[in-house]
Amino acid sequence: GAGVSQSPSNKVTEKGKDVELRCDPISGHTALYWYRQRLGQGLEFLIYFQGNSAPDKSGLPSDRFSAERTGESVSTLTIQRTQQEDSAVYLCASTSGQGKSPLHFGNGTRLTVT
Amino acid sequence: AQSVTQPDIHITVSEGASLELRCNYSYGATPYLFWYVQSPGQGLQLLLKYFSGDTLVQGIKGFEAEFKRSQSSFNLRKPSVHWSDAAEYFCAVGARGYGNKLVFGAGTILRVKS
Repeated sequence: GAGVSQSPSNKVTEKGKDVELRCDPISGHTALYWYRQRLGQGLEFLIYFQGNSAPDKSGLPSDRFSAERTGESVSTLTIQRTQQEDSAVYLCASTSGQGKSPLHFGNGTRLTVT
Repeated sequence: AQSVTQPDIHITVSEGASLELRCNYSYGATPYLFWYVQSPGQGLQLLLKYFSGDTLVQGIKGFEAEFKRSQSSFNLRKPSVHWSDAAEYFCAVGARGYGNKLVFGAGTILRVKS
């Protein structure tokens, strides 16, 4: 597709359940990011993938959060045993280069944990 | 630690009035600076970026921003605001040596009154 695609666009889940969020980056983009945006707050960095390098996981808030990416394609963000504080919009972005290249964002997945 | 501050959570301006949104950063290296806009129901879109050279950069939709190293600022300006500019604006900072981890400010919500 022409842009970054995220699915689902909305997800409501019960506390304690696991959820999986998907991101399809722009074709050819080597770098992929996940951010979390809580209501009324800025973007919180979660994890960054660059090519075949080891991902930068320094932003993951707990061991309930994990993410995978195969090569330069789809990425999935998994949240296990969801908690109410996990409710947020999860944004994925991809970029073609390093440092100076702007990020192309998807529309996000709005996660609500009840 | 790297940080980005957007001091104004909300700003309201009249249509046709000038606009300045503030952004201050704290970084231990020469920064790369970005402004993104998030319109309701849409993903983040890059407005403009600064890497080096001329400290006054022009972006899309008539926006500009000025990098002032002495003040650690990168304020966004527009001489005449349109109702369609109502959105949330995010300042983001990255730097060589910090990988591609962009740090975002908390955002400023712009309201435009007619």
